[in-house]
Amino acid sequence: DTAVSQTPKYLVTQMGNDKSIKCEQNLGHDTMYWYKQDSKKFLKIMFSYNNKELIINETVPNRFSPKSPDKAHLNLHINSLELGDSAVYFCASSQISLTEEAFFGQGTRLTVV
Amino acid sequence: GENVEQHPSTLSVQEGDSAVIKCTYSDSASNYFPWYKQELGKRPQLIIDIRSNVGEKKDQRIAVTLNKTAKHFSLHITETQPEDSAVYFCAAILGAQKLVFGQGTRLTINP
Repeated sequence: DTAVSQTPKYLVTQMGNDKSIKCEQNLGHDTMYWYKQDSKKFLKIMFSYNNKELIINETVPNRFSPKSPDKAHLNLHINSLELGDSAVYFCASSQISLTEEAFFGQGTRLTVV
Repeated sequence: GENVEQHPSTLSVQEGDSAVIKCTYSDSASNYFPWYKQELGKRPQLIIDIRSNVGEKKDQRIAVTLNKTAKHFSLHITETQPEDSAVYFCAAILGAQKLVFGQGTRLTINP
């Protein structure tokens, strides 16, 4: 079974559209993240949730809204997509209270045209 | 601010030689320092980690050293092989449950 799964793997959409990326982990972890990886490969943290509660929001435009219905899921909704949103978005999870390894999803390559 | 600095951004070594990547961090309370390898088109995956109660850890050809006083840690890869070519990221937990990555090092092993 895949530990952290995110869908879709590829997403091509026009400027101005609204889209969502879903993430699920079956590891029983208490913390989930969203990272954005741009063309220079920098992995920038966007959000962190601990047991369904938002604990980190890193100066991300409010067009990005994460939602965690339960501690195994963390979805990312993006409104009014812009060209600069094109990147690979990675979901990850860890048992951070125990400083354990973070497991990443396969990534979602978002292309805004 | 809270950050992790990583150097160099690119590194090219001859097959069989050693590679060293260095990172510094800002939060003296940090106690967990993982290293991730990301192959082209793949997800980042943990290759080794170190906690603040030890100064060095080794796993076959890979070793990590930690200097808590100076707030820096390094990744050492010996006897490099072509399959070591990838982007490597250091990371640290900063502040409240925030896993922050360095800028990444693109390592190329030349045959």
